[in-house]
Amino acid sequence: DAGVTQSPTHLIKTRGQQVTLRCSPKSGHDTVSWYQQALGQGPQFIFQYYEEEERQRGNFPDRFSGHQFPNYSSELNVNALLLGDSALYLCASSPGQGGYEQYFGPGTRLTVT
Amino acid sequence: QKEVEQNSGPLSVPEGAIASLNCTYSDRGSQSFFWYRQYSGKSPELIMSIYSNGDKEDGRFTAQLNKASQYVSLLIRDSQPSDSATYLCAVMKRGGAGSYQLTFGKGTKLSVIP
Repeated sequence: DAGVTQSPTHLIKTRGQQVTLRCSPKSGHDTVSWYQQALGQGPQFIFQYYEEEERQRGNFPDRFSGHQFPNYSSELNVNALLLGDSALYLCASSPGQGGYEQYFGPGTRLTVT
Repeated sequence: QKEVEQNSGPLSVPEGAIASLNCTYSDRGSQSFFWYRQYSGKSPELIMSIYSNGDKEDGRFTAQLNKASQYVSLLIRDSQPSDSATYLCAVMKRGGAGSYQLTFGKGTKLSVIP
């Protein structure tokens, strides 16, 4: 049973550039949530996708956008990168929109220089 | 007041002892509670979930929930060096459009000394 997968593992970008991160949910899961984890902090909720729509959004600017595809996989896009966007980006999947357990992928480490 | 608060530690316990990790939350509307373990450089791994008041045991782990006191705890019995990690408390509450949002504490770093 494949777990949550994310790509790429690591990424280095320059300020002002744009980045796309990808996530495939665990088999049987249809809901994907994205989190940002800065060093020494807990994960911060960015947004959640269900039925190809953004259902809930955390306190992140519009530079952060996403998409969910019919196969439930998801993308996170960040435009106009800032140094402060350097973090571990985590994708979590769950079996439905309800208050179910969320399982995390390995994450993408983004470094902005 | 932060939504989810944890003592950042580090918490050091000798091998074989009981490690006690605590978490408080501010939103009384919170419905589900989770503990994740995160090794350095890795992603969080779900180890316990608890939804109602009382205790829930799974192997060496016991989660305790007291909604009146807005308090969640995790006990690790017979602690092993492999339990050394950061433990994240997460609280889920209902958001918009039927979604549910997880809010995390900063985590408590646990060190188990051989």
